[in-house]
Amino acid sequence: AQRVTQPEKLLSVFKGAPVELKCNYSYSGSPELFWYVQYSRQRLQLLLRHISRESIKGFTADLNKGETSFHLKKPFAQEEDSAMYYCALLDYNKFYFGSGTKLNVKP
Amino acid sequence: KAGVTQTPRYLIKTRGQQVTLSCSPISGHRSVSWYQQTPGQGLQFLFEYFSETQRNKGNFPGRFSGRQFSNSRSEMNVSTLELGDSALYLCASSRDRAGNEQFFGPGTRLTVL
Repeated sequence: AQRVTQPEKLLSVFKGAPVELKCNYSYSGSPELFWYVQYSRQRLQLLLRHISRESIKGFTADLNKGETSFHLKKPFAQEEDSAMYYCALLDYNKFYFGSGTKLNVKP
Repeated sequence: KAGVTQTPRYLIKTRGQQVTLSCSPISGHRSVSWYQQTPGQGLQFLFEYFSETQRNKGNFPGRFSGRQFSNSRSEMNVSTLELGDSALYLCASSRDRAGNEQFFGPGTRLTVL
């Protein structure tokens, strides 16, 4: 069965520090993976997807099939990055979301 | 362009009742997905509709059903409500397949007493 695991419920870092939000998945085929973000009082929105191989707001995520991971990274965290982050796996047209990690960037 | 809208935003029902939630996707989007969000289970996929057809369904009991109209608007219905159905119900639309960028609505907060 498909599963997405985000082991950290809360991650607190200081402004300017590197941040890594962990995501591990289990999937029997070639996964299509995404990171979604929800800022305070805003809607859930797409941050990035692995097929785009792009950097959004300084965030990157690399798919590691050997480790079945799709960790989200940013070299220098900003206070405005504080939000809830969800890793998601797409199986045909069905999304499986992780439980989410709350990132708190302290000044 | 206007975003995904959901009505009503808040709803209070009692056990045994039924409820219908509505979702209007972004103009031109034909795929609509529904999710249930709870503190304990997180975001769980309910079903996805495309061109009035249910393409995918999550692991929810038959009390949860949905439909999509020719204008892509979608409704979901929950019959015989249980306390555990209290949740935030989110809908998301995308142009054709869910893998293309999904745009989420603000959600409907359902409370079952």
